[in-house]
Amino acid sequence: DIQMTQSPSSLSASVGDRVTITCRASQYIATFLNWYQQTPGKAPQLLIYGASSLQSVVPSRFSGGGSGTDFTLTISSLQPEDFSTYYCQQTYTTPWTFGQGTKVEIK
Amino acid sequence: EVQLLESGGGLIQPGGSLRLSCAASGFTFSTYAMSWVRQAPGKGLEWVSAIGGGGDGTYYADSVRGRFTIYRDHSKNTLYLQMNSLRAEDTAVYYCAIHPQVAGSHFDYWGQGTLVTVSS
Repeated sequence: DIQMTQSPSSLSASVGDRVTITCRASQYIATFLNWYQQTPGKAPQLLIYGASSLQSVVPSRFSGGGSGTDFTLTISSLQPEDFSTYYCQQTYTTPWTFGQGTKVEIK
Repeated sequence: EVQLLESGGGLIQPGGSLRLSCAASGFTFSTYAMSWVRQAPGKGLEWVSAIGGGGDGTYYADSVRGRFTIYRDHSKNTLYLQMNSLRAEDTAVYYCAIHPQVAGSHFDYWGQGTLVTVSS
């Protein structure tokens, strides 16, 4: 199975900060990498697919990059509604696997 | 508007069976692959199973293969997950999700989830 490792596991940041979360795959996955946001008690929501394509209605402050094994999710200016947990997911091969999550908290 | 509504969760004893349902609306049911993803309490996301848009092609995580069966009823626009031989480690919120194709895709929409608790 492909292991997905996110870093950091958690971070504290302030409104307006630029935040970057990294995701590393244990083997090559091209750009079959998605990012999801989950707030407590809610279902995950798709933010980024194909490593860098923004899902419709997702604000442009979110961006994704990378290919191969190393990927990033960047929030250019953190907003109050962005304090959530973020997961990366590979769909290069089954079993499709998720990272362990990165919790973004208010500093 | 895409809507996915899971049901069928509950408290079940180890070794028991349960069938989850995911009623879908707001899109052409047969054109989307669908998956079940679960989340144990306080833990991360785990993909469980997927099925192609036409019902052909089913995929399972090793942790559930041989115990769980995914299928879909196009006349009812409903996805199912038959879960047998349930174990304590199957306790989780189970979400259904849709994706444009089976492989190399992304989960566009998710339901709100249904909680399965396996305990004596």
